[in-house]
Formats: sequence, C-alpha cells, structure tokens
Amino acid sequence: NAGVMQNPRHLVRRRGQEARLRCSPMKGHSHVYWYRQLPEEGLKFMVYLQKENIIDESGMPKERFSAEFPKEGPSILRIQQVVRGDSAAYFCASSPGTGTMNTEAFFGQGTRLTVV
Amino acid sequence: SQQGEEDPQALSIQEGENATMNCSYKTSINNLQWYRQNSGRGLVHLILIRSNEREKHSGRLRVTLDTSKKSSSLLITASRAADTASYFCATDTGRRALTFGSGTRLQVQP
Repeated sequence: NAGVMQNPRHLVRRRGQEARLRCSPMKGHSHVYWYRQLPEEGLKFMVYLQKENIIDESGMPKERFSAEFPKEGPSILRIQQVVRGDSAAYFCASSPGTGTMNTEAFFGQGTRLTVV
Repeated sequence: SQQGEEDPQALSIQEGENATMNCSYKTSINNLQWYRQNSGRGLVHLILIRSNEREKHSGRLRVTLDTSKKSSSLLITASRAADTASYFCATDTGRRALTFGSGTRLQVQP
C-alpha cells in the first residue's frame, strides 16, 4: 500500500510559467489537503478537496492558484504565472472519508517549487 | 496569527537528555496532533490526543493536553541523535483541515 505520492519532487519554473503539482492519495482515501511551507516555517493550509468537489479553499490565494481532484487520477495544484514568492514546498495529505481530520493525516514528501 | 504556536522555536540538547516542546492554541479543538519533519522531507504523524484526553504515551513520547489553558506538551525521553528534526503541533478545530504551528527545531548532539 503505497503512501501519498507527490510528483515531481523538485520543480523549477521561470517567472510567468505555469506549475502543476500532482498528488495521489493513499489507497482508499478520498480526502486530499494541500499545504504550503516556506523555509523555517510551519505548514499553511491551502485547500481541502474530495473527489470532484472543493470543500474548503479558504487558504488559497484568490488569483493564479487552482486545485482539482477529478474522479479519476491524481489531485492537481496549479499555479499560473508563477512569481518568486511562490517558491516553497507544497505538501499534500490524505485521509479517509471521515469528513474531518479526526484521525492522523498521511503526508507526501512534498514538491519543492523554485521560481527563477 | 497561528492557531498553534510552539515553544521554544529551537532546542539543542545532548543525547540521553529529555526534550520538552510546548504548543499553545487559541480556539476549541477536537484533537491535537504532533508531527515530525526531517530536513527536506514530509511530515510523519507521531501521536494524536483527543480533547477529552489529558495524557498519552507512545514509546519514548509523552503528550499532555490542558484544554483549560489551551496548551499541549510533547516530551521525548532519552533523546537520540536520530530525533533531530522539526516538531509541529497541529490542531483539528472542526474546520476540516489541520492547522499547524511554526514548529520547534530540535537538535540532539551525540
């Protein structure tokens, strides 16, 4: 049973390009969460998704950022027209379909985005 | 501001000593969780304590929760060099996503 898989592990983009980050949850998990971590800081919640639904996107910047979790395939975090301030580690977590995180969350290894 | 704030921000101890980290939070919680992050890696779940629990043990880890003070502590006994990592508390407030603190960076000197 593979854990949460994120790819790529490292992503370098020039300013103005698009970044696509992928997350495959653990088998049997239908809830996905995206977090962003700046160096030496904690994780900031971005968005919570279930299959084909965005449940909570209160942590997502209003512009350039979007997320989806289609019926088939991984969850995608998309950042359009990247800027240097988007450079960070982006972590995905998954949990069973309990509706809350009243259980442990399983994290992927993260995607480290560097904008040059 | 952060829901969870860890204290201290950084801690350096010798192998064999105990390490204590504290976490304070602001709003009511369903549970509080502690995670560990090695440099450049993902987070690993350590322990979950529910709001109606006061203390929990797992191996060399001991977690306490005081809901009246809105605080928790993580104690690592007989620390090892391999315990060197960042430790985060995370609160489940019913908003359906964990809220993380800024972490305590623990350095265990061999």
